[in-house]
Amino acid sequence: DTGVSQDPRHKITKRGQNVTFRCDPISEHNRLYWYRQTLGQGPEFLTYFQNEAQLEKSRLLSDRFSAERPKGSFSTLEIQRTEQGDSAMYLCASSLGPAAHTGELFFGEGSRLTVL
Amino acid sequence: RKEVEQDPGPFNVPEGATVAFNCTYSNSASQSFFWYRQDCRKEPKLLMSVYSSGNEDGRFTAQLNRASQYISLLIRDSKLSDSATYLCVVIVLTGGGNKLTFGTGTQLKVEL
Repeated sequence: DTGVSQDPRHKITKRGQNVTFRCDPISEHNRLYWYRQTLGQGPEFLTYFQNEAQLEKSRLLSDRFSAERPKGSFSTLEIQRTEQGDSAMYLCASSLGPAAHTGELFFGEGSRLTVL
Repeated sequence: RKEVEQDPGPFNVPEGATVAFNCTYSNSASQSFFWYRQDCRKEPKLLMSVYSSGNEDGRFTAQLNRASQYISLLIRDSKLSDSATYLCVVIVLTGGGNKLTFGTGTQLKVEL
């Protein structure tokens, strides 16, 4: 499978715990995006990488959230001290070149977080 | 006001009907526009681009009105398989690159 893969697919955790999600983009894609989606809403932009550089970060991304893409390939999204409001589907997407040209982001199937 | 707004629906239409969705955006600096489709419990996938001159792909037609800051999607001869959530996407070029903003999505249910 050469698509975007995310791990884990599901995570249930207790409030206050830390969680980390991993995203492996399509291999030749240099741009990587993280989004969060809750039921009945569209994906909300969290952050964006071009290669290893984090170029854009949403105000939604509080100090408890951090994302990295150390070698310009896979990325991790860590949430510290989770809160019930963090419960959502965390979607990773990648693109080859500027998305403005084709608009095409390739999404993974997402990592669903449930905070108890 | 949200950057990209859509009527959440659901739109329940009979098979064969024509249905239209609108989406409005607030940032006049928006550069590019797209429609995505998201099936239940699946990831979003690109449906089509939207141009001022219009864009037609089979039964689907997308249109952009920059002056009024809205985009539309028309689906003719609806099929059961068209049932999904349709997401409007707007791209703004920022200092850091591209920021893709999704609307809340409009749910379509095509019925027999």
